[in-house]
Amino acid sequence: GAGVSQSPSNKVTEKGKDVELRCDPISGHTALYWYRQRLGQGLEFLIYFQGNSAPDKSGLPSDRFSAERTGESVSTLTIQRTQQEDSAVYLCASSLVILRGGETQYFGPGTRLLVL
Amino acid sequence: ELKVEQNPLFLSMQEGKNYTIYCNYSTTSDRLYWYRQDPGKSLESLFVLLSNGAVKQEGRLMASLDTKARLSTLHITAAVHDLSATYFCAGISIQGAQKLVFGQGTRLTINP
Repeated sequence: GAGVSQSPSNKVTEKGKDVELRCDPISGHTALYWYRQRLGQGLEFLIYFQGNSAPDKSGLPSDRFSAERTGESVSTLTIQRTQQEDSAVYLCASSLVILRGGETQYFGPGTRLLVL
Repeated sequence: ELKVEQNPLFLSMQEGKNYTIYCNYSTTSDRLYWYRQDPGKSLESLFVLLSNGAVKQEGRLMASLDTKARLSTLHITAAVHDLSATYFCAGISIQGAQKLVFGQGTRLTINP
């Protein structure tokens, strides 16, 4: 079946512009996660959704970052007034209903963001 | 706060050899995951280890978990070039948040 999809796959923007990244989770997955991967590094957690509520936003780096989710479907991650340090790959993942300890998270292909 | 460390971070090996990647974590983790990432690609789930003593095998890869030592290992047997990739382990915090906490990754290069 279809996996997690993300768009755009690549985004080049100028410093100070706003960008919007989109994630379509696997159908039926109620949990959705956003991570960031800087070049050559591991993944940093940003935010997760259970349904359309976000119980944990602790990883958002600043108030320039926000995310929303429509029902148990599409999520958008918005970065306002982008800075060069925002350049990274933004990965979205989804999983089935969260049990204690979590279910396996399935990752999308990522959006490669470059801020000039 | 859960922290995850992998070693080595870089590993270059010859085809046919065996090697082990180590993953240490700092506090209790409900589960331990191993992912593979090819260059420019996303993460592919390899293994989920649920309990102490768990061992899972897929082809030339075998993962194990020792919760008392807070250690997971990924063992590669008779390596082949196709296994070249970056391997990440990740724990999951049981403190309410369901976020994965990743190690730094081990970049594995297998030479013919």
